[in-house]
Amino acid sequence: AQSVTQLDSQVPVFEEAPVELRCNYSSSVSVYLFWYVQYPNQGLQLLLKYLSGSTLVKGINGFEAEFNKSQTSFHLRKPSVHISDTAEYFCAVSANSGGYQKVTFGIGTKLQVIP
Amino acid sequence: DAGITQSPRHKVTETGTPVTLRCHQTENHRYMYWYRQDPGHGLRLIHYSYGVKDTDKGEVSDGYSVSRSKTEDFLLTLESATSSQTSVYFCAISEPILSRPGEQFFGPGTRLTVL
Repeated sequence: AQSVTQLDSQVPVFEEAPVELRCNYSSSVSVYLFWYVQYPNQGLQLLLKYLSGSTLVKGINGFEAEFNKSQTSFHLRKPSVHISDTAEYFCAVSANSGGYQKVTFGIGTKLQVIP
Repeated sequence: DAGITQSPRHKVTETGTPVTLRCHQTENHRYMYWYRQDPGHGLRLIHYSYGVKDTDKGEVSDGYSVSRSKTEDFLLTLESATSSQTSVYFCAISEPILSRPGEQFFGPGTRLTVL
């Protein structure tokens, strides 16, 4: 079984300030990790992913995330946010389940950037 | 952007009526998924398909059925809609290749209201 916990349902932050969105996961097997972004009235788009190798991964729009295996975390960060970053962010974990890549999503974190 | 369309984009229906939502892809991806998105629950998998005529249940499949007669189309049917099925429904696709294990591409969503 696998699960994803996004610790904050909403995160308000001032424009140009740094932000961190937290994600923890649990799984009995090795996993792949993802962050997706959802802008209002749209579907989800891939922001970044961790498959293997370097634990620091960079994504689109200046976001990055760090995989920490010992803490089972995959926190998303951006050093300086912009108004256009206002959206909902979903962490997801993928693991092999009988030949099928089962994906589990967190409940999402709404990032509100304040001018 | 992945070629995924959903129809209709918005629908209002009455309790007890049948409803069919359509997902169409032009990417020739093997896997297709139906999710529902509800506040506080994130995305929950309803059903998925791993090939033509091959489908399986997700975590919230009660009250829903699916069909896939062609690679490009995946239909979700609510046999008798209930108010608890008011939600936003997303279709997603994926292709199990080494560089994209578990990565999914999402459609724009269908907002369904059951009165």
